[in-house]
Formats: sequence, C-alpha cells, structure tokens
Amino acid sequence: EVQLVESGGGLVQPGGSLRLSCAASGFTFLPYTMNWVRRAPGKGLEWVASISTTSNFIYYADSVKGRFTISRDNGNSSLYLQMNSLRADDTALYFCVRDFSLGANLDAFDLWGRGTYVTVSS
Amino acid sequence: DIQMTQSPSSLSASVGDRVTITCRASQDISLYLAWYQLQPGKAPKSLIYALSGLQSGVPSRFSGSGSGTEFSLTISSLQPEDFATYYCQQYKTYPITFGQGTRLEIK
Repeated sequence: EVQLVESGGGLVQPGGSLRLSCAASGFTFLPYTMNWVRRAPGKGLEWVASISTTSNFIYYADSVKGRFTISRDNGNSSLYLQMNSLRADDTALYFCVRDFSLGANLDAFDLWGRGTYVTVSS
Repeated sequence: DIQMTQSPSSLSASVGDRVTITCRASQDISLYLAWYQLQPGKAPKSLIYALSGLQSGVPSRFSGSGSGTEFSLTISSLQPEDFATYYCQQYKTYPITFGQGTRLEIK
C-alpha cells in the first residue's frame, strides 16, 4: 500500500525540541520532493518546509526558519523534521506530504499522511 | 508572499446540490493551483492539480476552473462523503500558501 506514516509527536515544553519522522512505503521515495505541512487547532493549513530529491534544495516558511530543519534518508525512505526552540504557536497536527510529480522542484501535493500531533505547553 | 483568499468560509448545502467554492490569488499564479479536502481523522485528500487536473481516484463530480487570479472548485452533485473542509493552494512560488479553508456542512 502506498502510504506515509508520521511519528514522533507529543507534548513538549516551550523552548524544547522534538524530531518528527515520516516513513514512506509502497513507492520509490527518492524521485519525489517531500514536504511538511501543519494545521494548528482552529486554523487552516500552513506549509512548513520542502526538501528536494537529493536534499540540494530546501525551503522553509518564515515562521520556522532558523528553528526547524527538514532532512531525508533516501536509503530508508524516510523524511524528518527537527524542531528546536518550540513555541506555543507551533502546536499543530503535522503532515508529511509528497509532491505530485517525479523530480519536480515545486509542485502540487498528492499523497498525505494522517499526521502526528505536537503540543507545546508548560 | 502570494495571499490566497477563499470564499465563502463556510457553506451549508444538501445532498444533490451543486456547490462552488472560490479562491482568489493576490497575484497571477497561472495554473499553479491545487485543491484539497480535509476530514477529521483522515489523511487529507488531494483533489485537483494544475487548475483542473483531477487526481487519480477523485470522482468526476469534482472540477476546477479559472485562470490568473480567480479560481473555483465545483462539486456538481454533493454526496454525503463530500462534507468536509476544502483548501486551495498556490505552488507558483515559495512560500507555498493556502487559502483559509471553506467548511462545507450538511443543511
């Protein structure tokens, strides 16, 4: 089955760190740009970060730049999001998302995971 | 950044109705426009890419149209499983941005 499964969410104090993981299965991971998108409670979708196939191109939303790091392990078909200096407004459901087209630098999304929830609170 | 504005923010409709959700971009995004469906407890579903391309497995009652800065998603005959929140997205340039969402509720 083609799927993305996120893990690593949980409760963390403000200023703390958390590392999210996304395991891809059922498809060849390498040729796709991958993304993280989040949805805060009561709010809409917010793009967080994108990483190209060989990690040459990485982009971040201004709201997370300098605090979050996106990375990937093509050998293990995995995507990661290292989140540091977490703030209350980082509380959200975080989705791992695949680009629609092979090898595209900027594209629509097609495959989403169910998400992993991050709560930043003291 | 390109701002995406959806309307309405919420909508009540009945099974069988035809509904249209609109999305406006703050600048020309050509056809770099996608639509997504979110339902509680489920993985989000990709509906439309490149303005009007139907993602695999999406029923033909869903359609996208528009150009430049004005876009729309139409559901020709609402089914019970269509009640959800819908988002438009531009991917012409980073940062990728979404509309604020349209919640479609059962009347």
